[in-house]
Amino acid sequence: SQTIHQWPATLVQPVGSPLSLECTVEGTSNPNLYWYRQAAGRGLQLLFYSVGIGQISSEVPQNLSASRPQDRQFILSSKKLLLSDSGFYLCAWSVHRRLAGGSGANVLTFGAGSRLTVL
Amino acid sequence: AQTVTQSQPEMSVQEAETVTLSCTYDTSESDYYLFWYKQPPSRQMILVIRQEAYKQQNATENRFSVNFQKAAKSFSLKISDSQLGDAAMYFCAYRRATSGTYKYIFGTGTRLKVLA
Repeated sequence: SQTIHQWPATLVQPVGSPLSLECTVEGTSNPNLYWYRQAAGRGLQLLFYSVGIGQISSEVPQNLSASRPQDRQFILSSKKLLLSDSGFYLCAWSVHRRLAGGSGANVLTFGAGSRLTVL
Repeated sequence: AQTVTQSQPEMSVQEAETVTLSCTYDTSESDYYLFWYKQPPSRQMILVIRQEAYKQQNATENRFSVNFQKAAKSFSLKISDSQLGDAAMYFCAYRRATSGTYKYIFGTGTRLKVLA
């Protein structure tokens, strides 16, 4: 079965420090990968998605970047954190469309999330 | 651009009663997927139910069912026999079915409180 791992679970960082959140998926190949941010009391904002190694689509211009160095690894980074970067970050994956099919197709599956506090 | 709207920031229901959460969406597409996700206090996002737009039959998963009104672009979630464990944030989500489309669009969520 497929599993998604996301870490660290909690992070407290000073303003201006770097950030690296990591996400890996097991049990599948060539997944679509996503980073969402959830601000306090608000919905999910799509930050980045990737359909393959090195292929990153950015949805919102911001202080963050994403990379996909391996097929099942997705990394969210920042060189210098801002106070506004605080929030709950969720990694997610879905089956690549070419492989999609059946009742489980097109479902987005989430990791446990990373809570980032920038002070 | 597609949008998803959840107009009820918060709802309350008595234990064992039935509650309906509303969701509307805006799209010009005819083929798409709709989802309801639950986010309990642990903040783990859990899929509750999924609907394919080309299917007229409303999806059902145990105590959870949807009322999918394609013409009205409405996708409400009905929770029957509410339990304390149903207390959570509920998010409605949309995704086009068009080839090459990968984005899932979420609403702002509805917080459901279950009263004992």
